[in-house]
Amino acid sequence: GNSVTQMEGPVTLSEEAFLTINCTYTATGYPSLFWYVQYPGEGLQLLLKATKADDKGSNKGFEATYRKETTSFHLEKGSVQVSDSAVYFCALSVGGGFKTIFGAGTRLFVKA
Amino acid sequence: EAGVAQSPRYKIIEKRQSVAFWCNPISGHATLYWYQQILGQGPKLLIQFQNNGVVDDSQLPKDRFSAERLKGVDSTLKIQPAKLEDSAVYLCASSLGAGEDTGELFFGEGSRLTVL
Repeated sequence: GNSVTQMEGPVTLSEEAFLTINCTYTATGYPSLFWYVQYPGEGLQLLLKATKADDKGSNKGFEATYRKETTSFHLEKGSVQVSDSAVYFCALSVGGGFKTIFGAGTRLFVKA
Repeated sequence: EAGVAQSPRYKIIEKRQSVAFWCNPISGHATLYWYQQILGQGPKLLIQFQNNGVVDDSQLPKDRFSAERLKGVDSTLKIQPAKLEDSAVYLCASSLGAGEDTGELFFGEGSRLTVL
């Protein structure tokens, strides 16, 4: 079946540190891959996406590359800020109906 | 552009009682989703509608949960009778569901249910 596995949190970093949150997936067919973010007190919102192998999604300094050979979509940011503190969800969607499956989420704390 | 609207934001009920949640998607979005998010877990899809038809309800506990989207616009999710393990945030999301759809979901703020 289709599933998403992401690294457990929480992840605690100091401001300006490098961030990596690992995400791997299992899917039948060719999924689209997403990172969603949930800031405190807010709903989930799309951070970035990639729809085919080797595509790189990017937004707000975050990047993730769709790696078909390793079935991965790791999230990276070169220099985190306190305002990046949130829960990050890796997700995939398959099929014409765009059924979306989420990972368990990784909570990030950034200290000033 | 108005976002996805959900109500109520918070609900506390006793076990075996019933509860209903309402969702109004972004105007023009054909696809509507209900997810259950238990504390510390990722959202789990309960049901997906395309207009007023059900696309996927394979993970909906049909003995106690029901959902409808009668006119292909807003939707209601009902739980009757509620169990303690139903305590969660119920998220509604919508997407274009047509030619230009990239798969991006637009979420409401959620309805937090506590069952005592």
